[in-house]
Amino acid sequence: QSVLTQPPSVSGAPGQRVTISCTGSSSNIGAGYDVHWYQQLPGTAPKLLIYGNTNRPSGVPDRFSGSKSGTSASLAITGLQAEDEADYYCQSYDSSLGGVVFGGGTKLTVL
Amino acid sequence: QVQLVQSGAEVKKPGASVKVSCKASGYTFTSYYMHWARQAPGQGLEWMGIINPSGGSTSYAQKFQGRVTMTRDTSTSTVYMELSSLRSEDTAVYYCATAGGTTLWFDPWGQGTLVTVSS
Repeated sequence: QSVLTQPPSVSGAPGQRVTISCTGSSSNIGAGYDVHWYQQLPGTAPKLLIYGNTNRPSGVPDRFSGSKSGTSASLAITGLQAEDEADYYCQSYDSSLGGVVFGGGTKLTVL
Repeated sequence: QVQLVQSGAEVKKPGASVKVSCKASGYTFTSYYMHWARQAPGQGLEWMGIINPSGGSTSYAQKFQGRVTMTRDTSTSTVYMELSSLRSEDTAVYYCATAGGTTLWFDPWGQGTLVTVSS
C-alpha cells in the first residue's frame, strides 16, 4: 500500500489526452511538499519527467505537464504517441514518515 | 555529463549481505545527496534512504533501519549501499540517484543493480 495513490492503469488512443492522478494527504502533498514525476520504459531506470509540480527538464516534450492542488497532483499527456507507453510514478516527501514516498505507479497503454 | 554507474548483478543466499556501489562522475561529488531506491519484480519504486556525500550523514526509511548501511568514498566519488540479513523479498533492482536534497527530485538515476536472493 503506497502512501501516494495512483491508478494502476490508464489508456488512450494516439493523439488523445490522458491524465494520471497522484493522491496524498496532509503530511505530504497537502503539507506543501513538491511532487515530481518519472517515466519508466520497460527494462530501464526511471527518468525525470516533471519536477517541482509543474517544471519540465530540458528535452522533455511540452506534451507532458504537471499540476498540483490541495492533497493531489496530476500528470497530463497530450497528443499521445506510441513511445509514451510506459510506467509513470509520482514522488513527494512525507513529514510523518520523515522520508521520500512514491506512488504505486501507473501503466499507460497506448491503444 | 552527470553519470551514475552501478556495480553488477549479485546472487546471494538468504541471511547473507550484499554491497552495491554507485560511482558518480560529471559533477562535484560532495555537492549533491545520493538516494537509494529499489524495485521488486513487477512492483513499484520503494525509497530506502539518503546519504550526504559531503559529511557522510544518512537517513534511512523506517522499514530498513538496522539492516541498511550507506557509506561513501570521496576519493573515488563512490557511494555504497549494504543490505544485511537478506531474504527472498529483497530480490529487486536497486537504484542510486542524485538529488539536491531530501525533498527534491531524483536526476539522474543509475542503471540499476539486480540483487537476487535465493537458496
